[in-house]
Amino acid sequence: SQQGEEDPQALSIQEGENATMNCSYKTSINNLQWYRQNSGRGLVHLILIRSNEREKHSGRLRVTLDTSKKSSSLLITASRAADTASYFCATVVPQGAQKLVFGQGTRLTINP
Amino acid sequence: DSGVTQTPKHLITATGQRVTLRCSPRSGDLSVYWYQQSLDQGLQFLIQYYNGEERAKGNILERFSAQQFPDLHSELNLSSLELGDSALYFCASSGLLGYGYTFGSGTRLTVV
Repeated sequence: SQQGEEDPQALSIQEGENATMNCSYKTSINNLQWYRQNSGRGLVHLILIRSNEREKHSGRLRVTLDTSKKSSSLLITASRAADTASYFCATVVPQGAQKLVFGQGTRLTINP
Repeated sequence: DSGVTQTPKHLITATGQRVTLRCSPRSGDLSVYWYQQSLDQGLQFLIQYYNGEERAKGNILERFSAQQFPDLHSELNLSSLELGDSALYFCASSGLLGYGYTFGSGTRLTVV
């Protein structure tokens, strides 16, 4: 079963604009991670935020985490055509094995 | 190259057949995870191995099995294949807890 749900399912913006994707999850987590997947290819780890962190930056990426609302957001600033991909959030729960549970993803299209 | 190697990249086989997918984790990573990605089910966790031992099981069918060998490479065996088993199968590896996972480029399985 899916732990996270991304919103929106699809997003299309112009190059240079900012893109914001949201993720909601159901249970308490150890950490939350964001991944990018280009069409039909492997997933690439973008950023990890721990449950005791509220915000994290990496280059043009900004991730926030609100554990009280069980939600996270990924902001990509100054988008580029190369950012076109699917973006997934994935959670790791505190109990048991450290497996990733993925949401359904957001399909982001950057129009030149 | 992510450091996780999956072979073969593509596989076409007939219903009822058996196939083996192979994964070599990133150097030093002890955990290996298998995921199935299909259009209707998204990314589904199948199974995790840690240093040769099964650590967690997800939505893995009884027709599927896996193992991790002493050199840490892993194999996913899919038998009595059905049309619905057509999907992308990903292997991921991880090292220390609390860090991102590294995914291979996947094996695209087509059952005809």
